[in-house]
Amino acid sequence: DMHMTQSPSYVSASVGDRVTITCRASHNIRSWVAWYQQKPGAAPKLLIYTSSILQSGVPSRFSGSGSGTDFTLTITSLQPEDFATYYCQQADTFPFAFGPGTKVDLK
Amino acid sequence: QVLLQESGPRLVKPSETLSLTCTVSGASLFDYYWAWIRQPPGKALEWIGYIHYTGATNYNAPLQSRVSISLDASQNQFSLNLNSVTAADTAVYYCARVEILPGYYFHYWGQGSPVTVSS
Repeated sequence: DMHMTQSPSYVSASVGDRVTITCRASHNIRSWVAWYQQKPGAAPKLLIYTSSILQSGVPSRFSGSGSGTDFTLTITSLQPEDFATYYCQQADTFPFAFGPGTKVDLK
Repeated sequence: QVLLQESGPRLVKPSETLSLTCTVSGASLFDYYWAWIRQPPGKALEWIGYIHYTGATNYNAPLQSRVSISLDASQNQFSLNLNSVTAADTAVYYCARVEILPGYYFHYWGQGSPVTVSS
């Protein structure tokens, strides 16, 4: 079965920092990966799909890259509203597995 | 504007059936896949399954023997039934629309319905 891993599981960062989160798939999923942002008590929000395409309305400080099994989400110049948990999701085959999440917290 | 709203009991007894309904507004059920996703307290998201407007379904293997998803096009709703629940089924349950872009993504989500399994 397909599964996703993420690293790190926790990031302590300051406003203005650059943050990079890595996601690895157990099998080749081409470019079919998404990134979601989730804040406490809220539903996840789709940020990026097909590895690197920004969902409409998402700030350009978010970017995604990768293909095959290794993917990256980068936030340049972290803003106060970016402190949240981030999940990757493989979008290639059933089941649509999510990664375990990376919490970005204020240092 | 596409809106999804979950509804159903917040407390279910062990061994009973968890039933939730998702009401969709701003979009028709036609031409889309509709999914259920859950998140146990403090844990990651888990895809439960989806239903296509044709009625075709696909379920996550660990839950397949206990889960069913159905839709009611006349009410613009789709529903989740999960039977023989245990404490491990305690979670926030989300409904979502599947976008095929290509790849399968979840763009529109409900606000989530917390369900506790307890006697």
